[in-house]
Parts: sequence; structure tokens; C-alpha cells
Amino acid sequence: AQKITQTQPGMFVQEKEAVTLDCTYDTSDQSYGLFWYKQPSSGEMIFLIYQGSYDEQNATEGRYSLNFQKARKSANLVISASQLGDSAMYFCAMREGPSNDYKLSFGAGTTVTVRA
Amino acid sequence: DAGVIQSPRHEVTEMGQEVTLRCKPISGHDYLFWYRQTMMRGLELLIYFNNNVPIDDSGMPEDRFSAKMPNASFSTLKIQPSEPRDSAVYFCASSARERRGGNTIYFGEGSWLTVV
Repeated sequence: AQKITQTQPGMFVQEKEAVTLDCTYDTSDQSYGLFWYKQPSSGEMIFLIYQGSYDEQNATEGRYSLNFQKARKSANLVISASQLGDSAMYFCAMREGPSNDYKLSFGAGTTVTVRA
Repeated sequence: DAGVIQSPRHEVTEMGQEVTLRCKPISGHDYLFWYRQTMMRGLELLIYFNNNVPIDDSGMPEDRFSAKMPNASFSTLKIQPSEPRDSAVYFCASSARERRGGNTIYFGEGSWLTVV
């Protein structure tokens, strides 16, 4: 079974608008971490934001915020005020188990194209 | 601070040749990972090290693949002999324990391998 599901293969968003990228996960662990990475066309993987399963508040990093709904097992990424440079592939990832387990499971990714 | 450094960035080689990919993790990080990214399979963890010791190599596809970490600042992933199906982007990544528990994994820019 897929541990991370990203149902949107591609999205278009108008510059300066907000966009939400969906991510649902599957785990039976109580302790886990959720991550979002950005992969621009140049290929590098850039860490964006992290949410721990025990974190009570949704994570925010600048224009990125993570809408964490634990009961629904969803960890959607919200990008506010989209910029042309936000055009990229975005991956949701999960680390299961205790903090000393470093394995990350990745979703298939969502391609975001920002239009001027 | 310097990020994870990989070399070469691009390599084209003939089937049957040996390929060596190199990685320098972020200074102070004690975990090092090798990932492979393909269109068909997405991002896959091949192997990871803790304090230069291989912890989990269950993702290494076959005996043609080997990885070493002779010291804290250097690792290699070797494919011998290479095959066209090994064509992929190979990422090295590193991580360290974080008090908040995220243990974020930081990726290098990737090595784009094409085997013809």
C-alpha cells in the first residue's frame, strides 16, 4: 500500500494567488514526521517544511504552511502569494517511527506551474 | 554553510562500464543517504549510513551496486557493471539529530546518470 498519496499530478496557479497541494499518508505509528520538498527543473531537492505528529500547531515557514489534519491523515502544503519561481515539482514525504529511524517514504509528487 | 556536494553532476557512460558517484555530506551530519529517482519508481532509498557504518542497504537493487563511507566527509556509490536501466538521478543526502525531532534530510543537487 502507498504510504504517501499525492493525488494531483499537476496544477496551474496564477501568480500572487495561493495554492494547496494535497498529501495523505498511511501509518499505524503514533510518532512520525511529515516533510515537503521542492524540486525545480534544475533537479535539486529543497527542504521546505516539517510537521511532527505530536506538534499541536501547524508548521509555517515563510510563504509555506502545512495544514495538518491528523484524524484525516492529511498534510497539505499551502503556498501563499505564488511566485514564478515556485514552479516546480513538490514532494510530500513521511518518516515513520521514532526519531532515530531516518527512512523517508516519498509521494509521487505534484507539478506546480505558476502563470504570470 | 555548504550543502551536500555531489559529483559528477552529469555522467554519460557506456553499458558495462564502472560508474562511481561521490558525495560530501554537510559537516557535522552523522547520517548519509543514497537515493535514486526515476520516472517509473519515483524516489527510492538505496542505502544509508550512520557514523560511517551502513545501517540499511535493503534498497540496493543488486550486487552491481555498492556503497562505501570511508570517513565522515566522503561517500561513494559504485555501479559495476552499469546497465541502461541504471539511468536515473542519484541523490546523496545527509542529516543530523535535531532537538525538535524532525531530523531533516538535506539533499545534494543530484548526479544525473545516463547509461547507453
